[in-house]
Amino acid sequence: SQQGEEDPQALSIQEGENATMNCSYKTSINNLQWYRQNSGRGLVHLILIRSNEREKHSGRLRVTLDTSKKSSSLLITASRAADTASYFCATTQGDTGTASKLTFGTGTRLQVTL
Amino acid sequence: ETGVTQTPRHLVMGMTNKKSLKCEQHLGHNAMYWYKQSAKKPLELMFVYSLEERVENNSVPSRFSPECPNSSHLFLHLHTLQPEDSALYLCASSQEPTGLEETQYFGPGTRLLVL
Repeated sequence: SQQGEEDPQALSIQEGENATMNCSYKTSINNLQWYRQNSGRGLVHLILIRSNEREKHSGRLRVTLDTSKKSSSLLITASRAADTASYFCATTQGDTGTASKLTFGTGTRLQVTL
Repeated sequence: ETGVTQTPRHLVMGMTNKKSLKCEQHLGHNAMYWYKQSAKKPLELMFVYSLEERVENNSVPSRFSPECPNSSHLFLHLHTLQPEDSALYLCASSQEPTGLEETQYFGPGTRLLVL
């Protein structure tokens, strides 16, 4: 079963507005990552937050993590048309061994209009 | 560009064909992954190779056969596929283990259509 579920499934905003996406997961994690995917392309890593961190910033991105609620949020401030994409959260959990195994959610489709 | 390339970018094949997908990473990583992305479903991890050894096979049908000849190259050999195998196949790589960074770098994907 999937680990992460993003909410909402789709989000449409105007340029300049903020966009907030949420991710919930089911089991304990080592870290949580957010990735972006432009239509039909590969995923691009945006930001990683570890289980002992509560908030992290990178440019216009702000990620929060609440391990007690098993949830994370991604905030994109001052959105641009170029931010139009699908956004996925991904978690790693347990003993990663010799390779990290990411479990992805179904994604939030963000549309930023002019 | 993420440093991970995939060929071909698009592939149409019949159910009796045999084809191969290729992935190459130029990042010096030692772990590589195959994922399947179908419409409205989460990304599914198919295979993981670490130091050229397969460490994960997520109950993938035998009509998908991976090969990792070295740490820079990863193949996915396809034979007698079904129409439901049509999807975007993504390759990724990472540097493991570091204890610090578990980011994966993805290629652009191969869009596969099985007729």
